[in-house]
Amino acid sequence: QVQLVESGGGVVQPGRSLTLSCAASGYTFSRYGMHWVRQAPGKGLEWVALIWYDGSNTYYVDSVKGRFTISKDNSKNTLYLQMNSLRDEDTGVYYCAREDYSGGYDYWGQGTLVTVSS
Amino acid sequence: QSVLTQPPSASGTPGQRVTISCFGSSSNIGGNYVYWYQQFPGTAPKLLIYRNNQRPSGVPDRFSGSKSGTSASLAISGLRSEDEADYYCAAWDDSLSGQWVFGGGTKLTVL
Repeated sequence: QVQLVESGGGVVQPGRSLTLSCAASGYTFSRYGMHWVRQAPGKGLEWVALIWYDGSNTYYVDSVKGRFTISKDNSKNTLYLQMNSLRDEDTGVYYCAREDYSGGYDYWGQGTLVTVSS
Repeated sequence: QSVLTQPPSASGTPGQRVTISCFGSSSNIGGNYVYWYQQFPGTAPKLLIYRNNQRPSGVPDRFSGSKSGTSASLAISGLRSEDEADYYCAAWDDSLSGQWVFGGGTKLTVL
């Protein structure tokens, strides 16, 4: 069965860095694009980043461009989100999600909480 | 302010039919597929509708999606108490360098 397990969340000061991981299992990781989606406390979903199945293309929401980097290691079945220059408004639960062939996010992880606070 | 606009709340009684709207523009809904997600408190979202009106296996046929121009709708017929959740629309947006956009979400209450 498909499983996505995020890790790496925690409390970090503004301006610092954090790297999130998403370990995938139960399917051929290298054949699917992956996303990061976040949700601030009590707020709605916000798409953060997308990486193509082979890592050849990446896309970001404007608010994180130049600060966040999405990557995937197909040999380790792991998705990453490198987050630099963190801001208060980056606080939230970060989900990784698989994009299926229809374009929908068909599997999601349980989420990992990132809190940016001094 | 979300790129896709949804009503913040909707409600209905058991057995009723409710619809949730999602308004966008030519760069997102107008030219791309619409997706709908259901989220219960404290849990990850679940794909409910893909490519405007298709249901993944396991999603009851009480849920249906439609799209017209730059707007889309999610309809839930035969409303049940377990449908009480947050619902989000999403679409790819071709503007700038491209990105996915979500609606602000609609909290559905079953009275």
